Amino acid sequence: RKEVEQDPGPFNVPEGATVAFNCTYSNSASQSFFWYRQDCRKEPKLLMSVYSSGNEDGRFTAQLNRASQYISLLIRDSKLSDSATYLCVVNPWGTTSGTYKYIFGTGTRLKVLA
Amino acid sequence: DGGITQSPKYLFRKEGQNVTLSCEQNLNHDAMYWYRQDPGQGLRLIYYSQIVNDFQKGDIAEGYSVSREKKESFPLTVTSAQKNPTAFYLCASSEQGADNYGYTFGSGTRLTVV
Repeated sequence: RKEVEQDPGPFNVPEGATVAFNCTYSNSASQSFFWYRQDCRKEPKLLMSVYSSGNEDGRFTAQLNRASQYISLLIRDSKLSDSATYLCVVNPWGTTSGTYKYIFGTGTRLKVLA
Repeated sequence: DGGITQSPKYLFRKEGQNVTLSCEQNLNHDAMYWYRQDPGQGLRLIYYSQIVNDFQKGDIAEGYSVSREKKESFPLTVTSAQKNPTAFYLCASSEQGADNYGYTFGSGTRLTVV
């Protein structure tokens, strides 16, 4: 089983739709989780951290389910500019080791259609 | 503005040549990382450094070398021993002890073997 798994997509959705991605991780001791956005041929950029209690930033909501070992990203009212690849990122070592060697998923590609 | 600068943006290497990719940051981050991204694959860790004059191998260090003589700089050399160097190389940095902030990435270097 891969350490971090994502459905590669593409997810083709109309503008205004709500879309959700899941990402599963294999190490139950993982401590921190993130969603990054990567545009074509660009560097990844931090979209949001994922907290145990769940968190929201505008149209974006991230949740963590430790029991089932997955994180999710929900995008409401999709915009054309949301078209990108969304990378799930997990730190399986946490903060105690002082090491932040994140594990990256292969990404889920989203295309928002006019 | 603080950030990470990678250069060059595009690099062409002949078979058997060593090339060096530059990465400079002015974020005052202690930790720096080099990742490689290939189409359809997640980012893979090449080397990382938590403090000056110290660095550790990542998952795919063979054929690569690094140095960390200054806090701001973490150059990556792709040697002739790296059999398949064509890829997108990303440098990142993070604050030690600040696991909720994730990485900041440079804009990347695309290396092509010709």
